[in-house]
Amino acid sequence: KQEVTQIPAALSVPEGENLVLNCSFTDSAIYNLQWFRQDPGKGLTSLLLIQSSQREQTSGRLNASLDKSSGRSTLYIAASQPGDSATYLCAVLPTSGTYKYIFGTGTRLKVLA
Amino acid sequence: DGGITQSPKYLFRKEGQNVTLSCEQNLNHDAMYWYRQDPGQGLRLIYYSQIVNDFQKGDIAEGYSVSREKKESFPLTVTSAQKNPTAFYLCASWDRDDYGYTFGSGTRLTVV
Repeated sequence: KQEVTQIPAALSVPEGENLVLNCSFTDSAIYNLQWFRQDPGKGLTSLLLIQSSQREQTSGRLNASLDKSSGRSTLYIAASQPGDSATYLCAVLPTSGTYKYIFGTGTRLKVLA
Repeated sequence: DGGITQSPKYLFRKEGQNVTLSCEQNLNHDAMYWYRQDPGQGLRLIYYSQIVNDFQKGDIAEGYSVSREKKESFPLTVTSAQKNPTAFYLCASWDRDDYGYTFGSGTRLTVV
């Protein structure tokens, strides 16, 4: 059974720092991996989607990498800002079964001004 | 703009009452999903539908019901059989072309 783990559960950093959020999954048979951002009381906003054949995707200050063989993905945030404070979730879409994403429990990020 | 609309944003339910949460999408996505989010527990799948007039139970379907009469709409009914309905409910749709999820802004349900 596919399981997705995100470490750390919470993280506080000073403004301007570069940081890395980690996501690991137990089964490498995935179509893709998606990173989301969730602000308190809001829905999930898609940040980056990496197909299984890709190694990384970039959007602005965000870069996500995927190492399918080792079951790992990282989300790199450059020059963090207080506006980046949110919960970040990763999710994988397994190739087996129906098309349902498996979610991690998220990393709660706080960027201090 | 294409997207998913969930309504209402806040909903209050009395004991023994059924309530229905609305989810509408104009993305032309085939698949739609309902998730429940509780503090510290992450997202749990309630029901999903991959095509009109068809839906399947997720991991926590007891006390909930859905319908999929139109491609654009996937309403969720929280019945009186759901003993602990207070939670944040999220609707999502899935795009077969790029395989990504799109989420609505959520409905917060509170039992009063």
